Amino acid sequence: DTAVSQTPKYLVTQMGNDKSIKCEQNLGHDTMYWYKQDSKKFLKIMFSYNNKELIINETVPNRFSPKSPDKAHLNLHINSLELGDSAVYFCASSLPGQGAGGYTFGSGTRLTVV
Amino acid sequence: QKEVEQDPGPLSVPEGAIVSLNCTYSNSAFQYFMWYRQYSRKGPELLMYTYSSGNKEDGRFTAQVDKSSKYISLFIRDSQPSDSATYLCAMEKGNTPLVFGKGTRLSVIA
Repeated sequence: DTAVSQTPKYLVTQMGNDKSIKCEQNLGHDTMYWYKQDSKKFLKIMFSYNNKELIINETVPNRFSPKSPDKAHLNLHINSLELGDSAVYFCASSLPGQGAGGYTFGSGTRLTVV
Repeated sequence: QKEVEQDPGPLSVPEGAIVSLNCTYSNSAFQYFMWYRQYSRKGPELLMYTYSSGNKEDGRFTAQVDKSSKYISLFIRDSQPSDSATYLCAMEKGNTPLVFGKGTRLSVIA
């Protein structure tokens, strides 16, 4: 039973389109994250979210928006896609608080904008 | 200077070799240190987790933290071809998301 699942695994779309990536976790974790991994494998935080607080990395364009219908889901919406948005997007979850024991990652969504 | 520095490699070693992977960091507020392993086209998976200076061993893997030097290491003994992956160090400070190094790509040649 997959702990953190993302859909779709692959997404190819044209510039200017709007797309969503879904993430679900069945670990009972309170905090969820979206990370972007570029072609050089660098993982960069985009958002972290628990029931009470959304923390946005200030470098993330406002075309990106997280939506959380409930504690187990954190979806990522992207408007007006650009070529530079091509990357692998990872969802992750953890228990709340410092030193909670690391994150569990999904298998990633490979986004290609053409 | 980036908060976390990691040599991206690539690093290629023969099977059975001892591998040493390293990260340095600049912010003494980091208190928790992790190593993740990422296979090609997969998500990162937690390999080692530690919060104090010193060594922590788990099978063939040893994580070492030196807070005074702001330096962490991961040692892999008797390396196997199945260890071929990208290894990412990660650090945590306060209630903020993990900060990752750029990852070191390791190939273990049979």
